[in-house]
Amino acid sequence: GENVEQHPSTLSVQEGDSAVIKCTYSDSASNYFPWYKQELGKRPQLIIDIRSNVGEKKDQRIAVTLNKTAKHFSLHITETQPEDSAVYFCAAKAGTYKYIFGTGTRLKVLA
Amino acid sequence: DTGVSQDPRHKITKRGQNVTFRCDPISEHNRLYWYRQTLGQGPEFLTYFQNEAQLEKSRLLSDRFSAERPKGSFSTLEIQRTEQGDSAMYLCASSFGQGTQPQHFGDGTRLSIL
Repeated sequence: GENVEQHPSTLSVQEGDSAVIKCTYSDSASNYFPWYKQELGKRPQLIIDIRSNVGEKKDQRIAVTLNKTAKHFSLHITETQPEDSAVYFCAAKAGTYKYIFGTGTRLKVLA
Repeated sequence: DTGVSQDPRHKITKRGQNVTFRCDPISEHNRLYWYRQTLGQGPEFLTYFQNEAQLEKSRLLSDRFSAERPKGSFSTLEIQRTEQGDSAMYLCASSFGQGTQPQHFGDGTRLSIL
């Protein structure tokens, strides 16, 4: 069945360093890949997304890359700040309406 | 901010009781999704509405779960005969238009079964 694997489950970085979170999806028909940031007790918030016809997308300190052949996509956060600390989820659109989420990465940015 | 709103924020009930949650999507959004999220996991898809039509339902959704969106605006999710395993955060999300558009989530309803 459809599956999204996300690694690592926890990630600690020093403030100012970069963080990379990786996801792999199983459904080769998936064509849309959003990333969400969820702070404790709050709603998931979309931070960036990428469609299958694009290999890379950047928004200030955040970028996402997509390798369709490998069915792999990654989130890159540069110049990390303490407020980047949160749980990050990747997701892949599976089928017409359904989204499959990864299990999340808890990012800690150490000041 | 007229984002997705969910009510109640928290619900505590005894096992075996029925519960109903409400979701009000962003006003112009025709698509509405329900998810369940347990601690340490990502949101798990439950069901999808386009306007008032329920177009997809997870195979994981037992017959104790039912969702409606009668006028294509707000939606309700009902769980009958609640079980311990139903304890989770229930999230609603909405999006607008045709094709693939970003989903916007509500704050969720946290259900605790005693």
